[in-house]
Amino acid sequence: EDKVVQSPLSLVVHEGDTVTLNCSYEVTNFRSLLWYKQEKKAPTFLFMLTSSGIEKKSGRLSSILDKKELFSILNITATQTGDSAVYLCAVVLNTGNQFYFGTGTSLTVIP
Amino acid sequence: GAVVSQHPSRVICKSGTSVKIECRSLDFQATTMFWYRQFPKQSLMLMATSNEGSKATYEQGVEKDKFLINHASLTLSTLTVTSAHPEDSSFYICSADRGGATEAFFGQGTRLTVV
Repeated sequence: EDKVVQSPLSLVVHEGDTVTLNCSYEVTNFRSLLWYKQEKKAPTFLFMLTSSGIEKKSGRLSSILDKKELFSILNITATQTGDSAVYLCAVVLNTGNQFYFGTGTSLTVIP
Repeated sequence: GAVVSQHPSRVICKSGTSVKIECRSLDFQATTMFWYRQFPKQSLMLMATSNEGSKATYEQGVEKDKFLINHASLTLSTLTVTSAHPEDSSFYICSADRGGATEAFFGQGTRLTVV
Protein backbone atom coordinates (compact mmCIF):
# COMPACT_ATOMS: atom_id res chain seq x y z
CA GLU A 1 0.00 0.00 0.00
CA ASP A 2 1.34 3.41 -0.95
CA LYS A 3 2.15 5.57 2.04
CA VAL A 4 3.29 9.14 2.67
CA VAL A 5 4.24 10.09 6.22
CA GLN A 6 5.25 13.44 7.58
CA SER A 7 6.99 14.31 10.80
CA PRO A 8 6.61 15.88 13.18
CA LEU A 9 2.83 16.08 13.26
CA SER A 10 3.02 19.44 14.97
CA LEU A 11 5.67 21.90 15.92
CA VAL A 12 5.75 25.12 17.92
CA VAL A 13 8.73 27.44 17.52
CA HIS A 14 9.66 31.04 18.23
CA GLU A 15 10.11 33.64 15.56
CA GLY A 16 13.60 33.49 14.11
CA ASP A 17 14.02 29.77 14.64
CA THR A 18 14.86 27.39 11.82
CA VAL A 19 12.64 24.36 11.26
CA THR A 20 13.02 21.19 9.26
CA LEU A 21 9.96 19.25 8.20
CA ASN A 22 10.21 15.69 7.00
CA CYS A 23 8.29 13.69 4.45
CA SER A 24 8.98 10.01 3.82
CA TYR A 25 7.22 7.86 1.30
CA GLU A 26 6.78 4.29 0.27
CA VAL A 27 5.15 4.19 -3.13
CA THR A 28 5.48 2.34 -6.36
CA ASN A 29 5.95 4.26 -9.59
CA PHE A 30 7.16 7.47 -7.97
CA ARG A 31 7.21 10.46 -10.28
CA SER A 32 7.55 13.58 -8.14
CA LEU A 33 7.06 15.01 -4.67
CA LEU A 34 5.45 18.34 -3.98
CA TRP A 35 5.24 20.57 -0.94
CA TYR A 36 2.22 22.71 -0.15
CA LYS A 37 1.34 25.23 2.51
CA GLN A 38 -2.22 25.20 3.77
CA GLU A 39 -3.58 28.00 5.89
CA LYS A 40 -7.32 28.23 6.03
CA LYS A 41 -8.47 26.91 2.73
CA ALA A 42 -6.88 25.32 -0.33
CA PRO A 43 -3.20 24.40 -0.30
CA THR A 44 -0.77 26.71 -2.05
CA PHE A 45 2.11 25.30 -4.02
CA LEU A 46 5.65 25.61 -2.71
CA PHE A 47 7.98 23.22 -4.49
CA MET A 48 8.07 20.32 -6.86
CA LEU A 49 10.94 17.84 -6.65
CA THR A 50 11.73 15.11 -9.11
CA SER A 51 15.48 14.60 -8.90
CA SER A 52 17.59 13.63 -5.93
CA GLY A 53 20.02 16.05 -4.39
CA ILE A 54 18.91 19.20 -6.16
CA GLU A 55 17.84 21.86 -3.71
CA LYS A 56 14.89 24.05 -4.55
CA LYS A 57 14.91 27.43 -2.87
CA SER A 58 12.46 30.26 -2.52
CA GLY A 59 13.33 32.99 -0.06
CA ARG A 60 13.58 31.48 3.40
CA LEU A 61 12.19 28.14 2.25
CA SER A 62 14.18 25.35 0.68
CA SER A 63 13.59 21.70 -0.05
CA ILE A 64 15.49 18.67 -1.22
CA LEU A 65 14.65 15.13 -2.22
CA ASP A 66 16.49 11.88 -1.54
CA LYS A 67 15.14 9.19 -3.85
CA LYS A 68 17.45 6.55 -2.48
CA GLU A 69 16.28 6.95 1.11
CA LEU A 70 12.77 7.95 -0.01
CA PHE A 71 12.32 11.18 1.81
CA SER A 72 12.26 14.92 1.42
CA ILE A 73 12.82 17.78 3.80
CA LEU A 74 11.44 21.29 3.84
CA ASN A 75 13.53 23.89 5.63
CA ILE A 76 12.29 27.24 6.80
CA THR A 77 14.88 29.65 8.18
CA ALA A 78 14.25 32.76 10.26
CA THR A 79 10.63 31.76 10.80
CA GLN A 80 7.92 34.39 11.00
CA THR A 81 4.42 34.23 12.43
CA GLY A 82 3.11 34.22 8.87
CA ASP A 83 4.76 30.84 8.37
CA SER A 84 2.23 29.31 10.75
CA ALA A 85 0.28 26.80 8.68
CA VAL A 86 -0.05 23.14 7.89
CA TYR A 87 2.62 21.96 5.50
CA LEU A 88 1.67 19.09 3.26
CA CYS A 89 3.79 16.93 1.05
CA ALA A 90 2.27 15.00 -1.79
CA VAL A 91 3.60 12.25 -4.00
CA VAL A 92 2.58 11.92 -7.63
CA LEU A 93 2.81 8.56 -9.31
CA ASN A 94 3.67 7.67 -12.87
CA THR A 95 0.45 5.75 -13.22
CA GLY A 96 -1.68 8.88 -13.21
CA ASN A 97 -1.77 12.41 -11.91
CA GLN A 98 -3.28 11.53 -8.57
CA PHE A 99 -1.70 13.25 -5.61
CA TYR A 100 -1.32 11.27 -2.42
CA PHE A 101 -0.88 13.56 0.51
CA GLY A 102 1.06 13.00 3.68
CA THR A 103 -0.33 13.45 7.13
CA GLY A 104 0.76 17.08 7.30
CA THR A 105 2.85 19.03 9.80
CA SER A 106 1.16 21.79 11.72
CA LEU A 107 3.65 24.60 12.35
CA THR A 108 2.97 27.36 14.83
CA VAL A 109 5.40 30.26 15.06
CA ILE A 110 4.98 32.37 18.16
CA PRO A 111 6.32 35.92 18.47
CA GLY B 1 -1.18 30.71 -12.92
CA ALA B 2 -4.06 28.43 -13.69
CA VAL B 3 -7.31 29.11 -11.88
CA VAL B 4 -9.72 26.56 -10.51
CA SER B 5 -12.97 27.77 -9.05
CA GLN B 6 -15.01 25.73 -6.61
CA HIS B 7 -18.55 26.53 -5.58
CA PRO B 8 -20.09 26.86 -3.08
CA SER B 9 -17.42 27.70 -0.53
CA ARG B 10 -19.71 26.83 2.32
CA VAL B 11 -22.98 24.92 2.55
CA ILE B 12 -25.19 23.75 5.36
CA CYS B 13 -27.79 21.16 4.56
CA LYS B 14 -30.25 18.94 6.36
CA SER B 15 -29.60 15.30 6.90
CA GLY B 16 -31.00 13.22 4.06
CA THR B 17 -30.69 15.88 1.39
CA SER B 18 -28.20 15.95 -1.47
CA VAL B 19 -25.58 18.60 -2.09
CA LYS B 20 -23.79 19.39 -5.34
CA ILE B 21 -20.34 20.93 -5.42
CA GLU B 22 -18.91 22.34 -8.65
CA CYS B 23 -15.31 22.54 -9.71
CA ARG B 24 -14.43 24.62 -12.75
CA SER B 25 -11.14 25.23 -14.50
CA LEU B 26 -11.41 28.83 -15.63
CA ASP B 27 -8.53 29.28 -18.00
CA PHE B 28 -7.60 25.83 -19.18
CA GLN B 29 -9.17 22.54 -20.16
CA ALA B 30 -8.91 19.81 -17.59
CA THR B 31 -9.35 16.28 -18.84
CA THR B 32 -8.85 15.07 -15.31
CA MET B 33 -9.97 16.51 -12.01
CA PHE B 34 -9.55 15.14 -8.54
CA TRP B 35 -11.73 15.28 -5.47
CA TYR B 36 -10.31 15.31 -1.97
CA ARG B 37 -11.80 15.27 1.46
CA GLN B 38 -10.22 16.73 4.55
CA PHE B 39 -11.32 16.19 8.14
CA PRO B 40 -10.30 18.71 10.78
CA LYS B 41 -6.61 18.59 11.55
CA GLN B 42 -6.07 15.83 9.04
CA SER B 43 -4.52 15.67 5.62
CA LEU B 44 -6.23 15.65 2.24
CA MET B 45 -7.55 12.27 1.29
CA LEU B 46 -8.01 11.49 -2.38
CA MET B 47 -11.57 10.36 -2.99
CA ALA B 48 -11.78 9.93 -6.72
CA THR B 49 -10.39 10.82 -10.10
CA SER B 50 -12.86 12.45 -12.43
CA ASN B 51 -12.30 11.85 -16.13
CA GLU B 52 -14.05 13.89 -18.78
CA GLY B 53 -16.45 11.75 -20.73
CA SER B 54 -16.02 8.60 -18.69
CA LYS B 55 -16.77 7.18 -15.29
CA ALA B 56 -14.88 8.40 -12.28
CA THR B 57 -12.32 6.19 -10.60
CA TYR B 58 -12.89 5.91 -6.88
CA GLU B 59 -10.30 5.23 -4.23
CA GLN B 60 -10.72 2.22 -2.03
CA GLY B 61 -13.29 2.74 0.67
CA VAL B 62 -15.10 5.60 -1.05
CA GLU B 63 -18.72 4.83 -1.87
CA LYS B 64 -19.42 5.71 -5.49
CA ASP B 65 -23.18 5.72 -4.95
CA LYS B 66 -22.76 8.14 -2.08
CA PHE B 67 -20.40 10.51 -3.83
CA LEU B 68 -21.55 10.93 -7.40
CA ILE B 69 -19.05 12.50 -9.74
CA ASN B 70 -19.84 13.89 -13.14
CA HIS B 71 -17.29 15.38 -15.50
CA ALA B 72 -19.49 16.53 -18.33
CA SER B 73 -17.13 18.97 -19.96
CA LEU B 74 -13.44 19.80 -20.06
CA THR B 75 -13.94 22.63 -17.61
CA LEU B 76 -16.46 21.29 -15.12
CA SER B 77 -16.63 18.43 -12.67
CA THR B 78 -19.32 18.06 -10.03
CA LEU B 79 -19.42 16.09 -6.82
CA THR B 80 -22.84 15.30 -5.41
CA VAL B 81 -23.04 14.06 -1.86
CA THR B 82 -26.26 12.06 -1.84
CA SER B 83 -28.46 11.56 1.20
CA ALA B 84 -26.00 13.48 3.31
CA HIS B 85 -25.49 12.59 6.95
CA PRO B 86 -23.64 14.45 9.71
CA GLU B 87 -20.60 12.21 9.25
CA ASP B 88 -20.29 13.57 5.70
CA SER B 89 -19.54 16.98 7.16
CA SER B 90 -16.07 17.81 5.96
CA PHE B 91 -13.96 20.07 3.79
CA TYR B 92 -14.05 18.99 0.15
CA ILE B 93 -11.43 20.24 -2.30
CA CYS B 94 -11.05 19.66 -6.01
CA SER B 95 -7.96 19.96 -8.14
CA ALA B 96 -7.51 20.03 -11.87
CA ASP B 97 -4.88 18.52 -14.10
CA ARG B 98 -3.81 20.74 -16.95
CA GLY B 99 -2.22 17.86 -18.78
CA GLY B 100 1.54 17.70 -18.63
CA ALA B 101 1.65 20.11 -15.71
CA THR B 102 2.98 18.66 -12.55
CA GLU B 103 1.55 20.87 -9.87
CA ALA B 104 -2.08 20.51 -8.95
CA PHE B 105 -4.32 23.54 -9.22
CA PHE B 106 -6.73 23.53 -6.33
CA GLY B 107 -10.15 24.99 -5.93
CA GLN B 108 -10.90 27.07 -2.85
CA GLY B 109 -12.63 24.18 -1.13
CA THR B 110 -16.17 23.65 0.14
CA ARG B 111 -17.02 23.40 3.81
CA LEU B 112 -20.02 21.06 4.09
CA THR B 113 -21.97 20.88 7.31
CA VAL B 114 -24.81 18.42 7.57
CA VAL B 115 -27.24 19.08 10.40
